[in-house]
Amino acid sequence: AQSVTQLGSHVSVSEGALVLLRCNYSSSVPPYLFWYVQYPNQGLQLLLKYTSAATLVKGINGFEAEFKKSETSFHLTKPSAHMSDAAEYFCAVSEVAFGAQKLVFGQGTRLTINP
Amino acid sequence: EAGVTQFPSHSVIEKGQTVTLRCDPISGHDNLYWYRRVMGKEIKFLLHFVKESKQDESGMPNNRFLAERTGGTYSTLKVQPAELEDSGVYFCASSPQGTGRDYEQYFGPGTRLTVT
Repeated sequence: AQSVTQLGSHVSVSEGALVLLRCNYSSSVPPYLFWYVQYPNQGLQLLLKYTSAATLVKGINGFEAEFKKSETSFHLTKPSAHMSDAAEYFCAVSEVAFGAQKLVFGQGTRLTINP
Repeated sequence: EAGVTQFPSHSVIEKGQTVTLRCDPISGHDNLYWYRRVMGKEIKFLLHFVKESKQDESGMPNNRFLAERTGGTYSTLKVQPAELEDSGVYFCASSPQGTGRDYEQYFGPGTRLTVT
């Protein structure tokens, strides 16, 4: 079974600082990895996904993530935080079982931006 | 294009009562998923419909949970009778035809269920 671990349930950075949200995965097959974001009172929105093409994936709102097989990691970064980035972020791995796709999520990381 | 909608947004019920959650997927999406997040824990898969058929219900906690998808459109998730441990946020997601591992799932805002 595949699993995802997000290090740090809460991360706080200053506006303009680097954002780094950590995600490590465990998978017996080449993983397909996703980062989702949830803003208050909204559904989860896809930020970016890795599907075995380029290891550096660019997403929306200036976020990117790098797939590192040797470290089993898929950390999310943004060079300069903005107040609007305050949200909860979820890393997930996709698996197919019984002919059906499902997402296996990490515990989530709540990002706070300090002015 | 309307997104995935869920009703109600919040529900507070007493232990032993019944609650029905509804999800309306994006129009034309064959795949519909239910997930749950218990307080402080990760979001966990409950089940997956392809049109009106249950494809995978391996994540359903027990037989107090019943999911249906009428005519392959909206879906309901009924909890009967509710227990305290059923409290959490229930998410619905949908995706177009097919089940590739790289497919994006589109999520609704969730229903927050509190059982007292």
